[in-house]
Amino acid sequence: DGGITQSPKYLFRKEGQNVTLSCEQNLNHDAMYWYRQDPGQGLRLIYYSQIVNDFQKGDIAEGYSVSREKKESFPLTVTSAQKNPTAFYLCATNAGQGMGKLFFGSGTQLSVL
Amino acid sequence: SQQGEEDPQALSIQEGENATMNCSYKTSINNLQWYRQNSGRGLVHLILIRSNEREKHSGRLRVTLDTSKKSSSLLITASRAADTASYFCATDRYNDMRFGAGTRLTVKP
Repeated sequence: DGGITQSPKYLFRKEGQNVTLSCEQNLNHDAMYWYRQDPGQGLRLIYYSQIVNDFQKGDIAEGYSVSREKKESFPLTVTSAQKNPTAFYLCATNAGQGMGKLFFGSGTQLSVL
Repeated sequence: SQQGEEDPQALSIQEGENATMNCSYKTSINNLQWYRQNSGRGLVHLILIRSNEREKHSGRLRVTLDTSKKSSSLLITASRAADTASYFCATDRYNDMRFGAGTRLTVKP
């Protein structure tokens, strides 16, 4: 079964806690992205990575961290510094090098307890 | 900041009518894409138009791009109730992909 797997589907965070959202892909795509979506809103770019061991900040990187140690994996950590983390988080990939089209995972809904 | 801005924010039409959504953006781009999102799901790619193209068709979809005005439009012809969803434009600038706030389309049967 090919594609992008995000886990968990639902996640709850206690105040002061760091949580990590998983994104795994078996499409052999170079580029991976994390977006945040608030209710009724568009997608805002948190971080993206075009190649292993390299990533770039998006518009709202503060309070988040990422790593890209493997081509298949791009985990997102929501740190305690992110004071308003409740949102729907979407991971996406594309083949890079101007191939353009994004493939999306099914998302993780993060809520604060 | 978001790159694209869609207009209108919401659109309600009857089945069989055409739906037109517009997108404006701010910087130069390599290509512009349109995506669809059903509630609570991931986005699905609909169509991509490159910066040197002016119009593109795919089934009931027609996309135009005017780089001089930094704007694009998506036309869905002969709409169906199943087309009810949110539609987003996304700009691609060297793999930096930015989305607009979306248009919420409701097609009434």
